[in-house]
Amino acid sequence: NSKVIQTPRYLVKGQGQKAKMRCIPEKGHPVVFWYQQNKNNEFKFLINFQNQEVLQQIDMTEKRFSAECPSNSPCSLEIQSSEAGDSALYLCASSLQGNSDYTFGSGTRLLVI
Amino acid sequence: TQTVSQSDAHVTVFEGDSVELRCNYSYGGSIYLSWYIQHHGRGLQFLLKYYSGNPVVQGVNGFEAEFSKSDSSFHLRKASVHWSDSAVYFCAASSTNAYKVIFGKGTHLHVLP
Repeated sequence: NSKVIQTPRYLVKGQGQKAKMRCIPEKGHPVVFWYQQNKNNEFKFLINFQNQEVLQQIDMTEKRFSAECPSNSPCSLEIQSSEAGDSALYLCASSLQGNSDYTFGSGTRLLVI
Repeated sequence: TQTVSQSDAHVTVFEGDSVELRCNYSYGGSIYLSWYIQHHGRGLQFLLKYYSGNPVVQGVNGFEAEFSKSDSSFHLRKASVHWSDSAVYFCAASSTNAYKVIFGKGTHLHVLP
């Protein structure tokens, strides 16, 4: 069982709907990442946090995606207006140092129909 | 450009055979190299990592990997595979001074009974 907890396991949304997924990082890990894994097994980095602060994020995240890691609450990733191309496995990972030893969650599989 | 390449998309062996999954990288500076396993529909599980020291590193479940600077490689090996080793294996590289990891496209290992 992973020490990074992601919910929900599956998410089905219509185009244009909001899609929100959550992640509880491994206890004591201050660095949290979100990745998108497509059906071709390609990983796309979305955003990372150290404690509650955003460290890096890609343009896609800046425009349609929003994410936060509030203190004492799960981290979240939300797509404001889902598109078919957003269908993918969204993986959350946490790390003590940020540059190695990532602990991954089981992912949230999003299907946009 | 930082890249991680896994030349074999699929590798098929029989249970009890040895296996080597190949990974080559192109990266400037100091890096961490890791291998992860992903069973169907699941998140990534950490297998092992290399940063410095002994180029042969031991991981979980009998896996090991060998770093070669001259070949820019970090191949994963197992002496005797089990059917439960069937999964997709990802090689990953992360810079020591950046909070981001680059993944290869994965090698799907099929272990036949």
